[in-house]
Amino acid sequence: GAGVSQSPSNKVTEKGKDVELRCDPISGHTALYWYRQSLGQGLEFLIYFQGNSAPDKSGLPSDRFSAERTGGSVSTLTIQRTQQEDSAVYLCASSPLGGAGNQPQHFGDGTRLSIL
Amino acid sequence: GQSLEQPSEVTAVEGAIVQINCTYQTSGFYGLSWYQQHDGGAPTFLSYNALDGLEETGRFSSFLSRSDSYGYLLLQELQMKDSASYFCASSLKGRRALTFGSGTRLQVQP
Repeated sequence: GAGVSQSPSNKVTEKGKDVELRCDPISGHTALYWYRQSLGQGLEFLIYFQGNSAPDKSGLPSDRFSAERTGGSVSTLTIQRTQQEDSAVYLCASSPLGGAGNQPQHFGDGTRLSIL
Repeated sequence: GQSLEQPSEVTAVEGAIVQINCTYQTSGFYGLSWYQQHDGGAPTFLSYNALDGLEETGRFSSFLSRSDSYGYLLLQELQMKDSASYFCASSLKGRRALTFGSGTRLQVQP
């Protein structure tokens, strides 16, 4: 497709379970970002990939959160032993490689994660 | 650290002009972006300022004053479809991640 694709669109799971969220960036975009957004709040940065490496993981809230990117394309965000405070919309964005800050980030529709 | 402040809600009527302000406190500030997000939708890029002054893109304009650590988004000829949340976001030198404000919910009334 032409835009950033995320799956699943919705995920409901029980506390303590592991979840995997997937992001397909725009073809050719080398930069990929994960953010999360709680209800009525701004976006909180989690991790940034350039190609397959993650030079900035500073936003990951705990060691329960991890992410990988393969083939310079698809990325997976994994949350282990989920807790209720993990409930949020997880947004993925991609951009072409370019100067810092001046490349618009193209967002997917997000995965709405609900922890029961 | 970084923080951005913007009003939580703004209401305006169709056809009017509205200004959404954003003040920021960041060290290493590089530029200010604006994103629009409709309920349940993806944020979409509107504008970016790295230099002081006004950037115009159709009905939307964005302004930055680095000396005042302040920017705004100006929406002209408001339409009902402009009802959405608007986020300012700062970027730092050498860092690709954006730091977002909490967003301003704009309601356009007939």
